[in-house]
Amino acid sequence: DAKTTQPNSMESNEEEPVHLPCNHSTISGTDYIHWYRQLPSQGPEYVIHGLTSNVNNRMASLAIAEDRKSSTLILHRATLRDAAVYYCIPSLIQGAQKLVFGQGTRLTINP
Amino acid sequence: DTAVSQTPKYLVTQMGNDKSIKCEQNLGHDTMYWYKQDSKKFLKIMFSYNNKELIINETVPNRFSPKSPDKAHLNLHINSLELGDSAVYFCASSRNGVGANVLTFGAGSRLTVL
Repeated sequence: DAKTTQPNSMESNEEEPVHLPCNHSTISGTDYIHWYRQLPSQGPEYVIHGLTSNVNNRMASLAIAEDRKSSTLILHRATLRDAAVYYCIPSLIQGAQKLVFGQGTRLTINP
Repeated sequence: DTAVSQTPKYLVTQMGNDKSIKCEQNLGHDTMYWYKQDSKKFLKIMFSYNNKELIINETVPNRFSPKSPDKAHLNLHINSLELGDSAVYFCASSRNGVGANVLTFGAGSRLTVL
């Protein structure tokens, strides 16, 4: 399993963009980069994933470095509801998905 | 309708007891999982079933026994509960093929062993 490094915590203001970094220097060539988040008292929730190219969906954007050793999750306009722990998870895509959650980044959003 | 539902949400019990947590998904997914989140908030996979067949079985004490009566249900039975079993247990499901990496999690079942 690729080791990931994320800041323990980050803070931002409502309606501002947030850039959440993740280092995964030991990622294998076939691992996708997944991001999940866990809101308080809830189960984890899928956010986005990508392999090499940058990806966008309705929740966020994922910017992947050219060497794939790091990535950044971008929340374009943070809301209070985005306060959560964000996990960066390199993983193969396979039938039974074995996601290895690290410590994640606790994101606080100030009103 | 809740996509992945777990019962009970809270469970308080004495050491040595046997208890079960139930999980049901109405998403038509083929694969179901149990994850454990301990007091330090680390989430670890315990088991995964695909169409009622055990696929992933991490290093978990054999006091923990999953059972999948059909592909929509995955229950977790724990024998001889110990203090260290106190945690939040999350059930999840995913489809086969495209989207296999998108897990849908339940809200969790908080188990407290006294």
